[in-house]
Amino acid sequence: QSALTQPASVSGSPGQSITISCTGTSGDIGAYNYVSWYQQHPGKAPKLLICAVSDRPSGVSNRFSGSKSGNTASLTISGLQAEDEATYYCSSHTHTNTRYVFGTGTQVTVL
Amino acid sequence: EVQLVESGGGLVQPGGSLRLSCVASGFTFSNYEMNWVRQAPGKGLEWLSYISSTFNTKFYADSVEGRFTIFRDNTKNSLYLQMNSLRAEDTAVYFCARDHQNTVSADYWGQGTLVTVS
Repeated sequence: QSALTQPASVSGSPGQSITISCTGTSGDIGAYNYVSWYQQHPGKAPKLLICAVSDRPSGVSNRFSGSKSGNTASLTISGLQAEDEATYYCSSHTHTNTRYVFGTGTQVTVL
Repeated sequence: EVQLVESGGGLVQPGGSLRLSCVASGFTFSNYEMNWVRQAPGKGLEWLSYISSTFNTKFYADSVEGRFTIFRDNTKNSLYLQMNSLRAEDTAVYFCARDHQNTVSADYWGQGTLVTVS
């Protein structure tokens, strides 16, 4: 199972909005509404930001939002803050016996 | 408070074995599906293995199928990963992660344990 494709890096200024894309196939993102997004700071465990394409778990800021169109999912961070500087990973369920396939990861830089 | 604490990592020679443990607290462990995910140094996340709450279903990534075995002991609130025939490319931080019910996502993660194969 190949990893989902994300841009290596995205940057933005404080207060701006940025969007990270996550491209899969008709066998993963396109087939299931089980896309999730994670934030990982260096040396830390990943943190779940978005599940089921667009649901935010309790405690996650509403500055994070998710969507999906066809085989591509997106994470939007609005009102960018310095603390948002981290690596972001998407994941999706797949049609194989793989529970999750993760994206390649996107480093977000706050300018 | 939900907590997952991994242990068992360390330095092992190629071809060797290691057993990782993950002790859960703060929730009813037996009700949740669990996973192992790893991250090689400077690399991305790689899902490795899944086990259902009732043990009946297990999945593995192709990269570890036949070498790694996931199992759990609900009486001890513990998840395990038995790793055999270890290779240099298995060097990584290994995380246990709880499945967020019905969403195929991982809502709680341990801090990770480092496995070095050299």
